[in-house]
Amino acid sequence: QQQVKQSPQSLIVQKGGISIINCAYENTAFDYFPWYQQFPGKGPALLIAIRPDVSEKKEGRFTISFNKSAKQFSLHIMDSQPGDSATYFCAAIEEYNFNKFYFGSGTKLNVKP
Amino acid sequence: DAGVIQSPRHEVTEMGQEVTLRCKPISGHNSLFWYRQTMMRGLELLIYFNNNVPIDDSGMPEDRFSAKMPNASFSTLKIQPSEPRDSAVYFCASISGPRTDTQYFGPGTRLTVL
Repeated sequence: QQQVKQSPQSLIVQKGGISIINCAYENTAFDYFPWYQQFPGKGPALLIAIRPDVSEKKEGRFTISFNKSAKQFSLHIMDSQPGDSATYFCAAIEEYNFNKFYFGSGTKLNVKP
Repeated sequence: DAGVIQSPRHEVTEMGQEVTLRCKPISGHNSLFWYRQTMMRGLELLIYFNNNVPIDDSGMPEDRFSAKMPNASFSTLKIQPSEPRDSAVYFCASISGPRTDTQYFGPGTRLTVL
C-alpha cells in the first residue's frame, strides 16, 4: 500500500506557466514533507520542504501548500522554465521512526519553450 | 564534502552472476538507505540502517538480495544470483541523524542484467 499518493504522473506546461503537483497521505504520524527534484542520470535532490505546523512555504519560484486537515500537500512552480523539466517526488517522513522516508510515485514535468 | 559515493556507476552482468553495489555515505551521517528505481515501480526503499544496524529490510524483494553495513563509512548491496528483472538504478542515500530533514542521494548505479 502506497503511503504517499502523488499526481499527476506526468505534466506538460508551457514556459511561464504554473506547474502544480499534488500529494496525499493517510498516516498522521508523518511530521515532515519534503519535495525532491531529479534530473535524468542523477539522484534525487532536496528542493523544498515543510512541517505540518505551517500552511505554506515559499522559496523563490517554488511553493509548498499544506492542508493538514485534508492530509494533502502540493508543489507549485511559478513561471515554469524549461530548466525545471525533471521528475519531482513528494515524500513524507516519520521522524520518530529513524527518519523513514515514504516517497510518492513521481511526476515527470516537461516545460515547453 | 564529496557527497554520497556509489560504485560502480554502471554494471552490466549476465543472469545468474553475483552483483555487489557499494556505497560510502557522507562522513558523520548515521543513517543509510538503499533504494531501487524503475520506470514501472518508481523509487522503492529496499533497506535502511541506523548506526550500522539494519532497521527495516521489508522492502528487500527476495532472499537473493542482501545488504550489509560493516562500519559507518561503507555499505554493500548484493544480489546473488542476479536476474534480468533486477535491472534498475540503485541509489544509496544518507542522513545525519534524528530530526534531520534531508536525505542526500548518491548518483546511483545503473544495473543491467542480461
